Amino acid sequence: AQTVTQSQPEMSVQEAETVTLSCTYDTSESDYYLFWYKQPPSRQMILVIRQEAYKQQNATENRFSVNFQKAAKSFSLKISDSQLGDAAMYFCAYIWFGNEKLTFGTGTRLTIIP
Amino acid sequence: GAVVSQHPSWVICKSGTSVKIECRSLDFQATTMFWYRQFPKKSLMLMATSNEGSKATYEQGVEKDKFLINHASLTLSTLTVTSAHPEDSSFYICSARAPGLAGEQYFGPGTRLTVT
Repeated sequence: AQTVTQSQPEMSVQEAETVTLSCTYDTSESDYYLFWYKQPPSRQMILVIRQEAYKQQNATENRFSVNFQKAAKSFSLKISDSQLGDAAMYFCAYIWFGNEKLTFGTGTRLTIIP
Repeated sequence: GAVVSQHPSWVICKSGTSVKIECRSLDFQATTMFWYRQFPKKSLMLMATSNEGSKATYEQGVEKDKFLINHASLTLSTLTVTSAHPEDSSFYICSARAPGLAGEQYFGPGTRLTVT
């Protein structure tokens, strides 16, 4: 069974600084997708970034980038120039190409210190 | 694009009554929708997968007679909590599979259910 592990239940970062959230996963599949979702206090889930496993290049979306290490089954999220609006729960998620179900990690609560 | 709405956003009901939550994909057709439950400060727990025109597939441990799911059209899925009890109080979130982007789901804003 696929599992997603987020070992940091809480993280904090100074505004304008950089923070990295960790995520590891376990799978025997070769074709899959990885996501980072953000859940702010409104509780609306927002897709931050996605990575296709077959792509070696790390995905980037403005201030958000990932470090995808397929062999190590690691998928960390780097947030540069942290802003107050980045404060939220961040969930790492995995989906196998042949499946429809997302597997979520337990989440990391990110606090931004002004 | 890819907007999903939920209604109501918050509902209070009395123990023993039933409550219906609607999930709509506003600007795309969703052949598959998903229902999640989220407890405070916890991750999302998948309850069931809903396919248009067919019976929902429930995850292990989810009572299908208590949580009735109907996917009547390509843009609407409903979750009915029957004979609600206080332990059913939770945050319910739906999502829909976005067309064209494999694996990607777009989420509704969630419904907070309080059973008194």
